[in-house]
Amino acid sequence: AQKITQTQPGMFVQEKEAVTLDCTYDTSDQSYGLFWYKQPSSGEMIFLIYQGSYDEQNATEGRYSLNFQKARKSANLVISASQLGDSAMYFCAMREGRGGSQGNLIFGKGTKLSVKP
Amino acid sequence: DSGVTQTPKHLITATGQRVTLRCSPRSGDLSVYWYQQSLDQGLQFLIQYYNGEERAKGNILERFSAQQFPDLHSELNLSSLELGDSALYFCASSVGTQGRVGSPLHFGNGTRLTVT
Repeated sequence: AQKITQTQPGMFVQEKEAVTLDCTYDTSDQSYGLFWYKQPSSGEMIFLIYQGSYDEQNATEGRYSLNFQKARKSANLVISASQLGDSAMYFCAMREGRGGSQGNLIFGKGTKLSVKP
Repeated sequence: DSGVTQTPKHLITATGQRVTLRCSPRSGDLSVYWYQQSLDQGLQFLIQYYNGEERAKGNILERFSAQQFPDLHSELNLSSLELGDSALYFCASSVGTQGRVGSPLHFGNGTRLTVT
């Protein structure tokens, strides 16, 4: 079974609107971390935001927020006031506290976001 | 700038050859990770080192090997290259090892390998 599922291969959003990128995860660990990364067309991987499994509040970083619903095992990324520069691939990732991951991140297949002017 | 340096940026080589990719982690980071990104497989974890020792192995082929040196830089060696090895290879670093769920990985800009 996939550990990280991103069901939206591609999404479009109008500039200045908000957009939600979906991510669901699968783990039996109680302690884990969820991450979102952005990969522009230039190729680099940029860390955006982190949510810990024990964090009671949703993480926020500027225009990025993470809608964490533990019972549903979902960790959706919300980008507010989209900008043209937000056009990129977005990856959801998880690190499990114990078990086989040993600290590495497991990535989903990504969502390609296109922001329309 | 993530602070992780990867060289070279691009590498073009022929099937059957051997190449070495190099990575310098962020200052202070002890863990180095290697990932392979291809169109069909996505981002695949290859191997992790922590302070010079191998800590975890992912989907790394036997033709591939890696090491982390005392100065913490790491090298990924790819041998008997095949067309299917063409991909973007990322190095990433973080401060800690297992259990540190909150430490993000900081990625280098990658080495794009093309095998012809």
